[in-house]
Amino acid sequence: AQKVTQAQTEISVVEKEDVTLDCVYETRDTTYYLFWYKQPPSGELVFLIRRNSFDEQNEISGRYSWNFQKSTSSFNFTITASQVVDSAVYFCALHMGSSNTGKLIFGQGTTLQVKP
Amino acid sequence: DAGVIQSPRHEVTEMGQEVTLRCKPISGHDYLFWYRQTMMRGLELLIYFNNNVPIDDSGMPEDRFSAKMPNASFSTLKIQPSEPRDSAVYFCASSLRPSSEKLFFGSGTQLSVL
Repeated sequence: AQKVTQAQTEISVVEKEDVTLDCVYETRDTTYYLFWYKQPPSGELVFLIRRNSFDEQNEISGRYSWNFQKSTSSFNFTITASQVVDSAVYFCALHMGSSNTGKLIFGQGTTLQVKP
Repeated sequence: DAGVIQSPRHEVTEMGQEVTLRCKPISGHDYLFWYRQTMMRGLELLIYFNNNVPIDDSGMPEDRFSAKMPNASFSTLKIQPSEPRDSAVYFCASSLRPSSEKLFFGSGTQLSVL
């Protein structure tokens, strides 16, 4: 079965703290894609990153970084020096490369609140 | 580019009424998706189209739900008759290729069925 688990329902931090959002996935496919999306209070979903299963290099984009570990089926997201504007719901998602359904499986989301 | 455009942003209706949600994908995107977001079930795919043809509608909850894409720049999701349990945020998204590529989401339609 394919599944994405974001065990942290809500996280609250104070501005400038670092915060890591956890994502654990399950799939039998050897080819798959992992995503992170951000949903700010305005409601739209914004793409943050896509990784394929063959690329385990960690990635850094400004204050954002992602740690992909196939050995633990995890794709964690870290925000360094958090800011109030980072407050949002963050979704991890999985797409099976062998699937032609176009179906993204989303985790339940983690609500991040950054307090000033 | 204007992005994915959905209308209306908010819809309040009474049980039994017909509801039509609209979506204009990004020009040139061959794939269009309808998602529903609820607290209980999170984000779930309802249906998606490729080149205006419905490919997978296995997520459509009931026959009360229908979706069309008459041309490359317009899609509708219709609920008839609506029920209170249909209350949710409905998102439309488009992409150049299947979901292995990133999706561009619209702002969503907040539907409340009283």
